[in-house]
Amino acid sequence: GAVVSQHPSWVICKSGTSVKIECRSLDFQATTMFWYRQFPKQSLMLMATSNEGSKATYEQGVEKDKFLINHASLTLSTLTVTSAHPEDSSFYICSARGAGIAKNIQYFGAGTRLSVL
Amino acid sequence: KQEVTQIPAALSVPEGENLVLNCSFTDSAIYNLQWFRQDPGKGLTSLLLIQSSQREQTSGRLNASLDKSSGRSTLYIAASQPGDSATYLCASLGSGTYKYIFGTGTRLKVLA
Repeated sequence: GAVVSQHPSWVICKSGTSVKIECRSLDFQATTMFWYRQFPKQSLMLMATSNEGSKATYEQGVEKDKFLINHASLTLSTLTVTSAHPEDSSFYICSARGAGIAKNIQYFGAGTRLSVL
Repeated sequence: KQEVTQIPAALSVPEGENLVLNCSFTDSAIYNLQWFRQDPGKGLTSLLLIQSSQREQTSGRLNASLDKSSGRSTLYIAASQPGDSATYLCASLGSGTYKYIFGTGTRLKVLA
């Protein structure tokens, strides 16, 4: 099956710094990528949807200036948490949907655990 | 607002028991429903995906059913093992939006 890779798998940073998380589709072209966030002992919540070459669409309540999403190529989307604070500590997961793949099929990455000190 | 609910929130069973996890969703026109496993501190592992036109899917000791009309899905785990201990999440893919909505999960612990 198709593979979606996230990097890094775990990152620790100081408060006030920015962190970039990468989501790559390894064997297909990802026309659409989704970013989710999961707080401890809670379920995943969709943050934003990004289509290659377009601006991301953010869900209600998600700050677009804080969570910058770039989907500049068909195999890579990045999520940058700007000026991270401890409350941003969470598990971030991406999923991707590809060209030539049915719209109702998405592949999930393994996730990135962000800890902000 | 579409919602996905999972019951029970936590479950502890002795090894060898057969068990059922429940998932309810409010969008009756979903495209598919997917069951995932998540180990502590880890990412998602897809277990079973049921398309809207299907009624069930099986993989090994796992069987998932889907009843769109009632907005319910169940994950049946046969002969549970300690290695099955994890959080199980269901997620429905919304009609028109193609966005997954996740349930709150069931934390399963299988005792040796």
